[in-house]
Amino acid sequence: DAGITQSPRHKVTETGTPVTLRCHQTENHRYMYWYRQDPGHGLRLIHYSYGVKDTDKGEVSDGYSVSRSKTEDFLLTLESATSSQTSVYFCAISESGQGSVKLFFGSGTQLSVL
Amino acid sequence: DQQVKQNSPSLSVQEGRISILNCDYTNSMFDYFLWYKKYPAEGPTFLISISSIKDKNEDGRFTVFLNKSAKHLSLHIVPSQPGDSAVYFCAAARPRNNNDMRFGAGTRLTVKP
Repeated sequence: DAGITQSPRHKVTETGTPVTLRCHQTENHRYMYWYRQDPGHGLRLIHYSYGVKDTDKGEVSDGYSVSRSKTEDFLLTLESATSSQTSVYFCAISESGQGSVKLFFGSGTQLSVL
Repeated sequence: DQQVKQNSPSLSVQEGRISILNCDYTNSMFDYFLWYKKYPAEGPTFLISISSIKDKNEDGRFTVFLNKSAKHLSLHIVPSQPGDSAVYFCAAARPRNNNDMRFGAGTRLTVKP
């Protein structure tokens, strides 16, 4: 199994509060991703990183920011949580941006915004 | 816009029979396709993939078929086993643009003993 750890596994928070989710990898892979999974939508890309301090937006990036200060850590921050951000969040990694598109996923974080 | 569609939210089959999961995509720029399997409370895991230069790829009980002209792919599981019960996600990607992997909504497969 790919060495990907997400924390926390579960989080309940209130509307308007900031929340940070952490993804830690031990594979030294260059690419890291944050997805959210919602019924009827599958997995949608929030943000991704292609190196330390190199990040870009995905298809549902509004209300989220990310940071990557070390190869192994990728943080997702909800600046002011809303109920629409209640979801399951998955971190993923991949070895290369070209030719190897296989993603390895963490176990997910269940976030509830009340 | 949903560029990858799995129109069947659920599928139920008998153990030992064939399971066929379908997926359609709209963007002809996708040239690499993957299936992921997801159990409850776990992250998706890679199952099988196919490049657009092929029309079939087999791995044991799992076979993926690609019909580029129809922008359609399918996953065949033969024979189906109870342990195959999970949610299956279809994904489409552009390897030169690794960030652009789009997923379908998933199909929940139940294999009955």
